[in-house]
Amino acid sequence: QKEVEQNSGPLSVPEGAIASLNCTYSDRGSQSFFWYRQYSGKSPELIMSIYSNGDKEDGRFTAQLNKASQYVSLLIRDSQPSDSATYLCAGGGNTGNQFYFGTGTSLTVIP
Amino acid sequence: KAGVTQTPRYLIKTRGQQVTLSCSPISGHRSVSWYQQTPGQGLQFLFEYFSETQRNKGNFPGRFSGRQFSNSRSEMNVSTLELGDSALYLCASSRGQALGNEQFFGPGTRLTVL
Repeated sequence: QKEVEQNSGPLSVPEGAIASLNCTYSDRGSQSFFWYRQYSGKSPELIMSIYSNGDKEDGRFTAQLNKASQYVSLLIRDSQPSDSATYLCAGGGNTGNQFYFGTGTSLTVIP
Repeated sequence: KAGVTQTPRYLIKTRGQQVTLSCSPISGHRSVSWYQQTPGQGLQFLFEYFSETQRNKGNFPGRFSGRQFSNSRSEMNVSTLELGDSALYLCASSRGQALGNEQFFGPGTRLTVL
């Protein structure tokens, strides 16, 4: 069973703080990893993709991948109330575009 | 560039009926994947189509089927609906040529089975 697991939270951080979201995956063949943000009642929105070991930064977001430890993380710097959402981690892509999603981490940024 | 579109946005059906959902990917994207999202199970992969061929299939019963047309538009069909099929059905579009492309989701179709 190929799985992606996330710390379910909920996670609360004050405005301006760093939010740290973590994810582990079981399939060592996974090639691609994504972080999606999903607001209540909306569909997931892609915010970060990462394919190689190391860090990838995009604005206030940094994704980290460690294939040896089968670990993916997302850091959100200077958290804003608008970042309050559920964050989904996804991995896979070794046979096409079949991805496995974690159950999501609910993040609340407190003003 | 227009995003992924799905129709209809909401559906109410009764047990035993069948339903067809439609997805139009982003222009130029050739891969369409379908997912089911429920509060209990989260996002689960149904199947992926690329160039009119099913490339991957998840662990769902044969009541769930799909197809893709030459213009990359895709449909999924669920026959003999069950109460447990109530969910948000999401379509995701990607360029598709390479493996593991970024996927962009449509707004979803909310299916309620009574």
